Amino acid sequence: QVTLRESGPALVKPTQTLTLTCTFSGFSLSTSGMCVSWIRQPPGKALEWLARIDWDDDKYYSTSLKTRLTISKDTSKNQVVLTMTNMDPVDTATYYCARKALAAADSYDYWGQGTLVTVSS
Amino acid sequence: DIQMTQSPSSLSASVGDRVTITCRASQSISSYLNWYQQKPGKAPKLLIYAASSLQSGVPSRFSGSGSGTDFTLTISSLQPEDFATYYCQQSYSTSGFGQGTKLEIK
Repeated sequence: QVTLRESGPALVKPTQTLTLTCTFSGFSLSTSGMCVSWIRQPPGKALEWLARIDWDDDKYYSTSLKTRLTISKDTSKNQVVLTMTNMDPVDTATYYCARKALAAADSYDYWGQGTLVTVSS
Repeated sequence: DIQMTQSPSSLSASVGDRVTITCRASQSISSYLNWYQQKPGKAPKLLIYAASSLQSGVPSRFSGSGSGTDFTLTISSLQPEDFATYYCQQSYSTSGFGQGTKLEIK
């Protein structure tokens, strides 16, 4: 059974750095072809893809946010960590982690329930 | 970056209606197009991958078509549980989502 769960602070101040952790089970990020991504959704708005880390430690970032994002993994702990620097109120959103489906056009077949992060002083 | 444009942004329909949602990519993405359904307060759910392949467990009233730049999601006969927001996602170049189509009850 595949599960993913996001964790991190619910509230951060402007200019602070956000650190989110995705803890997963039911699969291994050391399996060839496996990937985990972060996606966010501001309240009432569309989904926005942020970053991806692959089984071989390749990393990919949103063009518009790449200077602020860092993604990493701890395979032994089954965790993926996303850091976002210089947080701003416009970064208020629900942050999701999701697993890339194998042999399915890089779609996301399993998602966490999401964690709402509010940026406010 | 590849831009994804969905139309319409919102749609009102009745139970039993046939509904089509369109997604257009700013450049060719072959068949690297996926569709998701999202209900309020919930994570998105994968419906269709690779433009036309039905995800396991998804009802057959959902179908997808297209390749290159133009894609469609069709719901053949709307059911009450289908009223939700639908997103397309390109996975040809990293990834990106359309702006969503909110399907409401008429």
